[in-house]
Amino acid sequence: AQSVTQLGSHVSVSEGALVLLRCNYSSSVPPYLFWYVQYPNQGLQLLLKYTSAATLVKGINGFEAEFKKSETSFHLTKPSAHMSDAAEYFCAVSESTGRRALTFGSGTRLQVQP
Amino acid sequence: DAGVIQSPRHEVTEMGQEVTLRCKPISGHDYLFWYRQTMMRGLELLIYFNNNVPIDDSGMPEDRFSAKMPNASFSTLKIQPSEPRDSAVYFCASSFQGYEQYFGPGTRLTVT
Repeated sequence: AQSVTQLGSHVSVSEGALVLLRCNYSSSVPPYLFWYVQYPNQGLQLLLKYTSAATLVKGINGFEAEFKKSETSFHLTKPSAHMSDAAEYFCAVSESTGRRALTFGSGTRLQVQP
Repeated sequence: DAGVIQSPRHEVTEMGQEVTLRCKPISGHDYLFWYRQTMMRGLELLIYFNNNVPIDDSGMPEDRFSAKMPNASFSTLKIQPSEPRDSAVYFCASSFQGYEQYFGPGTRLTVT
């Protein structure tokens, strides 16, 4: 069984500040991990993925995430927030072998203050 | 590529009516997923297919829901009869080999 916990349903940062969105996972098999972003009334867009290669993963729009097996974490960061980053962010996990479906966290809404 | 295409984008129907949601996956993708998003339950898997064959339907709420994939370029999700608690956004996603999933824009279903 797999699960994802996203700490903080709402995060607010100032424009130009560091963005840190937290994700912890539980998986009985080696996981693949993903971050998706959802803008209002739109579908989910893949930001980045971890599939057992490099533990530090770089994605689109300046985001990156680090897979830490010892902490079962996959936190999303961006050095400098931009107004256009305001959206909802979802962490998701799937099995590296077997079941392909994604299990999502509950999401974190990021607000960027001017 | 046009991405995953879903239709309709919005559907409003009355309780008891049949609803059919449609999805065209990205060409060449061999996996297709149906997810549902609600405020209460978040994003949850309903069913997924591999090479047009249903693999896991454990998320389908009850017999009122059914999904088909008659060929590699088309899938439907049907609700019959619909109920107000089915109101949600339904997403279709497709993938090559099942890992990196690409989502459609979703269908917002409102059942009154």
